[in-house]
Amino acid sequence: KAGVTQTPRYLIKTRGQQVTLSCSPISGHRSVSWYQQTPGQGLQFLFEYFSETQRNKGNFPGRFSGRQFSNSRSEMNVSTLELGDSALYLCASSFLTDHTQYFGPGTRLTVL
Amino acid sequence: GIQVEQSPPDLILQEGANSTLRCNFSDSVNNLQWFHQNPWGQLINLFYIPSGTKQNGRLSATTVATERYSLLYISSSQTTDSGVYFCAGDPNFGNEKLTFGTGTRLTIIP
Repeated sequence: KAGVTQTPRYLIKTRGQQVTLSCSPISGHRSVSWYQQTPGQGLQFLFEYFSETQRNKGNFPGRFSGRQFSNSRSEMNVSTLELGDSALYLCASSFLTDHTQYFGPGTRLTVL
Repeated sequence: GIQVEQSPPDLILQEGANSTLRCNFSDSVNNLQWFHQNPWGQLINLFYIPSGTKQNGRLSATTVATERYSLLYISSSQTTDSGVYFCAGDPNFGNEKLTFGTGTRLTIIP
């Protein structure tokens, strides 16, 4: 089976812009979670989707949003980008919500 | 939220050495997992180990859920084992999914 894929792999934006990141889970996986990794805060949970419904949400401002489509692919959006949003954004999928998480290669976002 | 402490924070070993990495949780968690992050940022799942012991080649892991800790053993280290090792678990309460530790950075010297 193909692994979790994320696009784009690298992205450079300027403050105030918005960005959309995409994640395609492993075939058959219905749960998709998003994480932000920064040197200062480490790995932090953003949100989780299961069957197109947001099941859990981390402690991030409303500028961070996401959605899941009927084919389980997921997108996350960050509006009004700030310098502090520069990070590696990781997507993970699992068969069910309480199973092993498989991570994609990440999207490295740089905000200038 | 829960706190996840990993020790040691850094470890430098000669190729062929053995090591033990530890993960302590401040409260009970579900679905405890160990990950290896390679130098390119890819997180690889090593073990899904909510309790008990599992082995996979040179790696093994033990979780004692009642005492809220987990151990990762690496034997006969190779340079490809270098990277950062994270443990993570789902808190029993709240809306969070995996809460990650701060990681152990392992460097294997040839």
